[in-house]
Amino acid sequence: KNQVEQSPQSLIILEGKNCTLQCNYTVSPFSNLRWYKQDTGRGPVSLTIMTFSENTKSNGRYTATLDADTKQSSLHITASQLSDSASYICVVTTSPGGGNKLTFGTGTQLKVEL
Amino acid sequence: DARVTQTPRHKVTEMGQEVTMRCQPILGHNTVFWYRQTMMQGLELLAYFRNRAPLDDSGMPKDRFSAEMPDATLATLKIQPSEPRDSAVYFCASGLIQAPQGEQFFGPGTRLTVL
Repeated sequence: KNQVEQSPQSLIILEGKNCTLQCNYTVSPFSNLRWYKQDTGRGPVSLTIMTFSENTKSNGRYTATLDADTKQSSLHITASQLSDSASYICVVTTSPGGGNKLTFGTGTQLKVEL
Repeated sequence: DARVTQTPRHKVTEMGQEVTMRCQPILGHNTVFWYRQTMMQGLELLAYFRNRAPLDDSGMPKDRFSAEMPDATLATLKIQPSEPRDSAVYFCASGLIQAPQGEQFFGPGTRLTVL
């Protein structure tokens, strides 16, 4: 069964600190992996998208890594800001028969405090 | 700036009533997705359209849910009759099939409460 598991479920850090969120998946066949940020009351916004051949991608203070062998991804946030408080969702896409199927993780709820 | 819009933003209704949610995808996008998000299940894909044709609605309860794209600027999701377990936030997203890795842009969602 295709699954995406994220850890931790929730996390509280102080402003300015770094943190790393984890995503493990069993989805096959793999097409790409995305990290989304979802602010409270809003739709998800894409942070990074990585294909099989990419093992790291950055977007400002966000850096995602992908290990396709171990089927693990991480999202590292550097010098956290209060505005980073949100839910971070890992999504893995398969492309069976040319279509796209997305499997979503349940997210990591991050809170950044003063 | 181009955005996906959804109406209504909030809907409270009684069990058994029909609910219609609307989505205007970003102009020029040729894929549209409907998702449901709950605390327990997270995000779930309900339906997927490409060039207005339904490609995958396997995530949608067929007996009460229906999704359509009457034209390229409007997608609808209907629930009839609604039930309390349908309470959730419903997101619409659009994208370009030819875009790198098929990125999707999400609307703000419709928060549905069925009493």
